[in-house]
Amino acid sequence: GQSLEQPSEVTAVEGAIVQINCTYQTSGFYGLSWYQQHDGGAPTFLSYNALDGLEETGRFSSFLSRSDSYGYLLLQELQMKDSASYFCAVTPAGRRALTFGSGTRLQVQP
Amino acid sequence: DAMVIQNPRYQVTQFGKPVTLSCSQTLNHNVMYWYQQKSSQAPKLLFHYYDKDFNNEADTPDNFQSRRPNTSFCFLDIRSPGLGDAAMYLCATSSGTGNSPLHFGNGTRLTVT
Repeated sequence: GQSLEQPSEVTAVEGAIVQINCTYQTSGFYGLSWYQQHDGGAPTFLSYNALDGLEETGRFSSFLSRSDSYGYLLLQELQMKDSASYFCAVTPAGRRALTFGSGTRLQVQP
Repeated sequence: DAMVIQNPRYQVTQFGKPVTLSCSQTLNHNVMYWYQQKSSQAPKLLFHYYDKDFNNEADTPDNFQSRRPNTSFCFLDIRSPGLGDAAMYLCATSSGTGNSPLHFGNGTRLTVT
C-alpha cells in the first residue's frame, strides 16, 4: 500500500521561506507531485520530481530523495495568496491514478 | 481555454434519492477520474476510466457508479446517498502517461438532507 505523511499545519510570515515535508511508505512509484488547493477550490498542479534532486519553478522548488523516502516543497518569498493546502502525491507503479498525502494547511501571516 | 467543467457547482439531494454529477473536458485526455474529498481531508480516488476501460478502487462502495459515454463526458451516479456521502466530488483528467499532471474541475459540493 501507499502512505504519505505531511504536517497538518504550518504558519509563516510574508516574505519568509517555508518547507513542507512529505515522508512516504510505498513499494514503488513513478514520481512525487505537489498540488496546491485554496479553500473551496480545486487542486492545481505545482511540480513533479521523477528523479532525486531539486526541481525549481519560480518561487517554488520541490525535492525528492528516494533513498530517504522523503520529499519537500519549498516556498520562497511567501505571499498572502500562498495561504492554501498543499498535498504531495504519488502515482504508484503500475497504476495511473494519484494517491494524495494527508495535506498541509499553510497560513501566511502579514 | 481547454478545461474540465463540473456541473452543478452545488447539489442538494435527499437521503436515499439518486443523484448524478457530471463532468466534461475539452482537453481530449484519455483518463478521467472521480475523487471524493471531505472537509480537511485529502482527495480520495473512487474510480477512473482509461478511455472506456473502467477501474474501480477496492474500497469504493457499491453505492457509487460511473459512466463515460464518450471521451468528453463522465458521470458519477450515487444510487442511494447517505449522510456520510456529503462531500466535494472532484473530477480530473490526465493524458495517462506516468508523469502527466492531473487537471481538476472546480468540483461539485454535495449536501445530503
